Amino acid sequence: DGGITQSPKYLFRKEGQNVTLSCEQNLNHDAMYWYRQDPGQGLRLIYYSQIVNDFQKGDIAEGYSVSREKKESFPLTVTSAQKNPTAFYLCASGDIKGYTFGSGTRLTVV
Amino acid sequence: GENVEQHPSTLSVQEGDSAVIKCTYSDSASNYFPWYKQELGKRPQLIIDIRSNVGEKKDQRIAVTLNKTAKHFSLHITETQPEDSAVYFCAASSRATGTASKLTFGTGTRLQVTL
Repeated sequence: DGGITQSPKYLFRKEGQNVTLSCEQNLNHDAMYWYRQDPGQGLRLIYYSQIVNDFQKGDIAEGYSVSREKKESFPLTVTSAQKNPTAFYLCASGDIKGYTFGSGTRLTVV
Repeated sequence: GENVEQHPSTLSVQEGDSAVIKCTYSDSASNYFPWYKQELGKRPQLIIDIRSNVGEKKDQRIAVTLNKTAKHFSLHITETQPEDSAVYFCAASSRATGTASKLTFGTGTRLQVTL
């Protein structure tokens, strides 16, 4: 769907549990990004990676971790250290022409 | 780091009227300014972008203007239609030639076009 796929669409997390959000792209983009979207706060950058095996923290990296073992994949783990994880998570990949976003994962703490 | 402010947060216009959304940025090194449209429950989609070497760009009913001296850029939608109703985000980045770079987003404008 649009070359970048996020799964699952909905995810429920219990207190103290780690969960992993999947992001896969077949656009051959070097760069990939994770954003968090909360009502009224726009999109805030969590982590980004511009090349395989390398990634950098964004503005709100605390409580999150990522890996970039393959060009196509950039999974995000929401750890138990993230105290307010309920949000809409968007993955994107990009090149000089711009970003392509995935359809998002809505994470809810139960 | 870059900081992008966006106004207004909500905008209601009648069908056929024009809509203007304004953004300011803080980093003078920023040179790429895209605009995204997000419909309810869907992913953001790029609608238009502008680079720092031009002052205005137009695509049918949508135009973007950039004032680098004042560090602000604006989205103009003319002859608005109900399907223009959505949340619009501006963004800014400093992009080296031939590379992608991280975008800093504004907080969004919810546009409602009424009949």
